[in-house]
Amino acid sequence: NAGVTQTPKFQVLKTGQSMTLQCAQDMNHNSMYWYRQDPGMGLRLIYYSASEGTTDKGEVPNGYNVSRLNKREFSLRLESAAPSQTSVYFCASSYSGGIETQYFGPGTRLLVL
Amino acid sequence: AQSVSQHNHHVILSEAASLELGCNYSYGGTVNLFWYVQYPGQHLQLLLKYFSGDPLVKGIKGFEAEFIKSKFSFNLRKPSVQWSDTAEYFCAVDGGSNYKLTFGKGTLLTVNP
Repeated sequence: NAGVTQTPKFQVLKTGQSMTLQCAQDMNHNSMYWYRQDPGMGLRLIYYSASEGTTDKGEVPNGYNVSRLNKREFSLRLESAAPSQTSVYFCASSYSGGIETQYFGPGTRLLVL
Repeated sequence: AQSVSQHNHHVILSEAASLELGCNYSYGGTVNLFWYVQYPGQHLQLLLKYFSGDPLVKGIKGFEAEFIKSKFSFNLRKPSVQWSDTAEYFCAVDGGSNYKLTFGKGTLLTVNP
């Protein structure tokens, strides 16, 4: 099992450009999540998908959109990147919510110039 | 809204020293509590979690945490740290939303050999 995979590993964008971060899991999990990690801020939830076909906003959704393409895949899109979106982005998945453990991907490091 | 405070930003210890990392949360209802760890260059992974029952929870690699409801605390402990415990440690709480984990800002632990 690969677990949770993310592409790309690293990306540089110019302000205003768009891009999609891809995430896939092979653990047959129902729930998937996107977080951003900034120095001194911990992890903050951007969006989550409790189950296939549903998505909901987290703590910091502005400037982002998501798509739960199928049970395995959950993408995060930046329509018009801003320097404030420079961050490390983590995807995670879990069997369900609540007490279930979240399994994290390796992260995507994004730099917006 | 729920929140999590980790009081120590950076802790430096020598090998064999005892460790206690503080975590306090604010939420009045039933909570699920987690400690995650991020070793250098690796994914976040679960150390331990609490949802009910015995308030003293044991996790991987000799870590344990105690849930004290009256103090809204979930402190992480290890009696004798090793150099390999050098990592960033995150406390997280799920206050009934089932999917919206709130993370603390993290504590960087450096263990000197």
